[in-house]
Parts: sequence; structure tokens; C-alpha cells
Amino acid sequence: DAKTTQPNSMESNEEEPVHLPCNHSTISGTDYIHWYRQLPSQGPEYVIHGLTSNVNNRMASLAIAEDRKSSTLILHRATLRDAAVYYCILRDGGRSQGNLIFGKGTKLSVKP
Amino acid sequence: GAVVSQHPSRVICKSGTSVKIECRSLDFQATTMFWYRQFPKQSLMLMATSNEGSKATYEQGVEKDKFLINHASLTLSTLTVTSAHPEDSSFYICSARVGTGNTGELFFGEGSRLTVL
Repeated sequence: DAKTTQPNSMESNEEEPVHLPCNHSTISGTDYIHWYRQLPSQGPEYVIHGLTSNVNNRMASLAIAEDRKSSTLILHRATLRDAAVYYCILRDGGRSQGNLIFGKGTKLSVKP
Repeated sequence: GAVVSQHPSRVICKSGTSVKIECRSLDFQATTMFWYRQFPKQSLMLMATSNEGSKATYEQGVEKDKFLINHASLTLSTLTVTSAHPEDSSFYICSARVGTGNTGELFFGEGSRLTVL
């Protein structure tokens, strides 16, 4: 699976937007960009995913660079409950197993 | 969204005993489930892929005789840690996908924290 690079940690203030970057320069044409987050002592939670176009859902937005070598997860208004480790993962849409390989992620802290 | 449930959420056992962890898909059928292990302050590590009705596929370095995986039905996969030792203490997490495609999201259980004394 192609690797991703994320900052180890980021800080944000409550009710401000947060932009979490992810680099994936070796992404292949069939790789989907997935974002998951993990709150302390819980299993990961799906946030959003996309292939080429930007995506929006009730949790976040995903901005994908035109060359697909990087992407940014956008939380429009951070809350204290958004404090978590955010994982950017490439998932091969054509592979039979379909598993997710987790990197170290970005630990997001939200200050009140 | 789809729900995946794990049981027990916490278990403490003595060294040398075996522990079974259940992973259930509550409102969908999961032909494939994945088992992960997470040590403190580390990321999730894939242990094995469990396919309903067939043998699990283990990742390199994971002992299949120690971590027994059974996926007997479309809604239940179990992980048994046999002859557990303190180094097996970890957070075990399962996940499942809806359908057979690889383009959608995966759903994760709440995790099971194993402590071996």
C-alpha cells in the first residue's frame, strides 16, 4: 500500500477551522483517500473518503490536490469532541482484501 | 451507519489462560472482517483478515496458532488469544466492510482491552 505522511500533532482553538494535511506522493490511480479518527480508548471512526474530487459530508470536507499527491481534511468548526488522532490512509479500490493500513496519524488537540 | 460490536470491552486474565473476543456486525452481513492490535501510544497494526467460511489470512509475524480466528457466520468473527502472556496485553479492534467492494468505508468495533497478569 502507498504510504502517507502526516504531521505528528496539531493544535486548534475551539470553534475555529482546522486543516489537517496529508502527503501521498506515491498514490496510484486506483487508491482512494480515506480519513478515520480515533478517540481515546475507542475504535477508529470513519470520517470521509474520496478519489479525485473534493468531498463534503456532515463531519468534514476533503480537499484533494489536482495531482492527487496530497489532500487536506477540513473540520469547519472544531469542538472539544474533535480531539482525536486523525489517520489519512490510502485504500486500493481494486485489491481483494480491502484492509486499511494505519500510519501514525496526526494527534489533534482542541483548546477551549 | 452500520454498527460493529465487540465483546468483552475489557478483560483481565491470568497468564496461561485463553481469552475469546467476539466481533459482531449488528445490522449488516460482513463477508470480511479484519482484526487489529494496538499497543499504548502506537497505531493500529493489522493482524489478520477473516473471511466467512474460510481460513483467516494472517499478516507476517502474527502467530496463527496463538491468535485463533473463526468467522463461522456472516455476522460473527471471534479472536481467541491462546495461552495468553503479559506481552499479549493490548487493545484488540475488529472492523468489517459492507458488501465486497473496496471503495467504501470500514466500520470498527469499540475495541477490547486485554490485560494479562
